[in-house]
Amino acid sequence: DAGVIQSPRHEVTEMGQEVTLRCKPISGHNSLFWYRQTMMRGLELLIYFNNNVPIDDSGMPEDRFSAKMPNASFSTLKIQPSEPRDSAVYFCASSFSSDDSSYEQYFGPGTRLTVT
Amino acid sequence: DQQVKQNSPSLSVQEGRISILNCDYTNSMFDYFLWYKKYPAEGPTFLISISSIKDKNEDGRFTVFLNKSAKHLSLHIVPSQPGDSAVYFCAAADSWGKLQFGAGTQVVVTP
Repeated sequence: DAGVIQSPRHEVTEMGQEVTLRCKPISGHNSLFWYRQTMMRGLELLIYFNNNVPIDDSGMPEDRFSAKMPNASFSTLKIQPSEPRDSAVYFCASSFSSDDSSYEQYFGPGTRLTVT
Repeated sequence: DQQVKQNSPSLSVQEGRISILNCDYTNSMFDYFLWYKKYPAEGPTFLISISSIKDKNEDGRFTVFLNKSAKHLSLHIVPSQPGDSAVYFCAAADSWGKLQFGAGTQVVVTP
């Protein structure tokens, strides 16, 4: 079975440019999470969706960040305009949430973003 | 505020011996706890979990212990193997399924 798929794996861009990160969750999962990992802040949740609806975006650092989930098999995280401090590894994770859920999330390989 | 803490950034252990990783949390509303393992350039992979209604869960070489009164959990790996060398993250889930992660512990298993 395919796991969570993220693209691109690496992205290098110049400050001010728009960046779009993509994620395909595991088929059948109904929750999707975007995380950012940095040395300073560790692994932090940016936003999560349940049944394609954004539930909690309190972790999104500022208005330059936006995320969408147009259908159950695709999500994007966009940064516009990008800044050097956005350089990090961005992970997408998915899970199946139910009343007796075990809350296990399955992570993609991540996108390493470098903004120069 | 950091609600999940892993106070040991690194741990070195000899092959065949036991590795013990510790994690503390502050929010008594967390009701599920997980351990993830991460290799470089890969995403975290789920290792083992425990519900707040239990105090122990075992899966092969991996055992997680939960002490709710102390708000403390630990992961035991026995025997440790070279392939266990990785960063281990402790995570706590609230009732919405949101995970909060600790800072991670780098484990190095030496021959």
